[in-house]
Amino acid sequence: QVQLQESGPGLVKPSQTLSLTCIVSGGSISSGSFYWSWIRQPAGKGLEWIGRIYTSGSTNYNPSLKSRVTISVDTSKNQFSLKLTYVTAADTAVYYCAREISSSWLVWGQGTLVTVSS
Amino acid sequence: QSVLTQPPSVSAAPGQKVTISCSGSSSNIEKTYVSWYQQLPGTAPKLLIYDNNQRPSGIPDRFSGSKSGTSATLGITGLQTGDEADYYCAAWDSSLSAYVFGTGTKVTVL
Repeated sequence: QVQLQESGPGLVKPSQTLSLTCIVSGGSISSGSFYWSWIRQPAGKGLEWIGRIYTSGSTNYNPSLKSRVTISVDTSKNQFSLKLTYVTAADTAVYYCAREISSSWLVWGQGTLVTVSS
Repeated sequence: QSVLTQPPSVSAAPGQKVTISCSGSSSNIEKTYVSWYQQLPGTAPKLLIYDNNQRPSGIPDRFSGSKSGTSATLGITGLQTGDEADYYCAAWDSSLSAYVFGTGTKVTVL
């Protein structure tokens, strides 16, 4: 059974780059026809899709974040990553990684809180 | 940046039924599949419905989904205290080439 676990710094300074990794266990990130997504949620607010990557490396990003986001995959480490540049307080949120199939997300990580503050 | 509109809250007594609407447009709900998620406080969202009306394994048939035109609906029958949570719809938006979520609905069991 596939499980996802986010990892990365919980505190990032304004204007710096937020970097998170999602470690995939219980299955190969390369097997099956899955997209691997990042989704975030500011405290007390709704969900926001950040973007996704296919194991071939093709990506889709939220237009509102596209200029600052890069999602990559490392099949040798069975993980995928998120980089968000020039962060501000508005980027403070719980960040989730999730596996997409059939236009929905069945498998989710537990989420990791990233706070942007000096 | 929520493109899909949901009522902020719905409530009903235990055992009753609630419905949650998700209103979108011709570039999202009308054109593609809708999924629904339940989020209990402090936890990751949980998939309840995919492909408009399909339930993943383990989701009770008290939860149902439907779609008509540019709107979708989640129904919960036999309401239980454990159903108190936030619920979100989601769909791909072909104009944005991105997934969009609903604004979220808080379900309260009276």
